[in-house]
Amino acid sequence: QVQLQESGPGLVKPSQTLSLTCTVSGGSISSGGYYWSWIRQHPGKGLEWIGYIYYSGSTYYNPSLKSRVTISVDTSKNQFSLKLSSVTAADTAVYYCARDPPGIDAFDIWGQGTMVTVSS
Amino acid sequence: DIVMTQSPDSLAVSLGERATINCKSSQSVLYSSNNKNYLAWYQQKPGQPPKLLIYWASTRESGVPDRFSGSGSGTDFTLTISSLQAEDVAVYYCQQYYSTPPEMYTFGQGTKLEIK
Repeated sequence: QVQLQESGPGLVKPSQTLSLTCTVSGGSISSGGYYWSWIRQHPGKGLEWIGYIYYSGSTYYNPSLKSRVTISVDTSKNQFSLKLSSVTAADTAVYYCARDPPGIDAFDIWGQGTMVTVSS
Repeated sequence: DIVMTQSPDSLAVSLGERATINCKSSQSVLYSSNNKNYLAWYQQKPGQPPKLLIYWASTRESGVPDRFSGSGSGTDFTLTISSLQAEDVAVYYCQQYYSTPPEMYTFGQGTKLEIK
């Protein structure tokens, strides 16, 4: 079955760019018409959707983060990536990648999540 | 922005009893084009990612026990656990999808469910 796995640095300095990658295994990122999202969870808090990418490369971002977010896809590696620029301590969170099947508009498969701390 | 408000924030229920969690959206999530409510429910246990339980307000995800059910339409929704089991202790989130720009997925603040 399809599995997602996040990877990237666990510590990022303030004002730098946070970069994470989600590797999709057990299925092709290009098939099935899925949307691939990034979602974060601040420590002890709720969930915040960051944005999604379609395999074709089309993207949509949370307006509150849009100016700092870039999501890209590499179909040859079966991966999609998140870049969040100009980070502050407020960006410290667990970052999840997740899959949204066509027509459901909910997240049926999640990665285990990766903790990113913004600190000097 | 659409705001999702869950109630209560926390809930303690005895084993075998019914647990009910409510979710209210600031705007309707019912799409008249297909008569579907784009409202989902998730269960999150400590140290784990959320797990999808219900989508389209009342459709149970494959493999989810039938003691979990969802109901509601428009702006008011309910997740019901008919007979609480020990493994149901978790935080539960509702989530809506709104396609009218700005396109958004928004989560409720979560409800912590414990055993009484």
